[in-house]
Amino acid sequence: GAGVSQSPSNKVTEKGKDVELRCDPISGHTALYWYRQSLGQGLEFLIYFQGNSAPDKSGLPSDRFSAERTGGSVSTLTIQRTQQEDSAVYLCASSLPAGRGEQYFGPGTRLTVT
Amino acid sequence: AQSVTQLGSHVSVSEGALVLLRCNYSSSVPPYLFWYVQYPNQGLQLLLKYTTGATLVKGINGFEAEFKKSETSFHLTKPSAHMSDAAEYFCAVSERVGAQKLVFGQGTRLTINP
Repeated sequence: GAGVSQSPSNKVTEKGKDVELRCDPISGHTALYWYRQSLGQGLEFLIYFQGNSAPDKSGLPSDRFSAERTGGSVSTLTIQRTQQEDSAVYLCASSLPAGRGEQYFGPGTRLTVT
Repeated sequence: AQSVTQLGSHVSVSEGALVLLRCNYSSSVPPYLFWYVQYPNQGLQLLLKYTTGATLVKGINGFEAEFKKSETSFHLTKPSAHMSDAAEYFCAVSERVGAQKLVFGQGTRLTINP
């Protein structure tokens, strides 16, 4: 079946602009995670959604970062007023409810802030 | 807080030789343990995981890892390297409860010499 998809695959933006990154999880997966992969920080957790519960936002690096998940499926990660240090690969993963299955990762969105 | 240390950011072995990638973790209680592989411009793929039971875990592509509680280690091995094993490998841990967000090591880039 279809895996986790992310769009766009690449995004180049100017410093100060807002960007939206999209994640389509595997059908039936109620848990959704966003991670960031950067040269300086490695792979780090950003945010976690599980069904209709309040998201775990403990990994978001600043209030310029936000995410939502509509209808328990598609998720959008928004970065406002982008900075050069936001340049990274943003990875999305989905799973059955936490504890019931592995996390399946999408191919990522490579964000470059110029 | 949990943390993961991978010894060696780069490992180079000859084709047919033993592959050994080292991972040590720090956690107040034994976590779930994972190894992921990342091929260029792709997302993360799960190689194997330890949750409970037998401490020697077998994964895909001939890889295995052994959980050693006394050493807080989860080293990844493969008896005979293949050219297709060239990739970046990440060790990760998660708590056994809650969101089970992954905490990753810095990664080890594996190069296979012909």
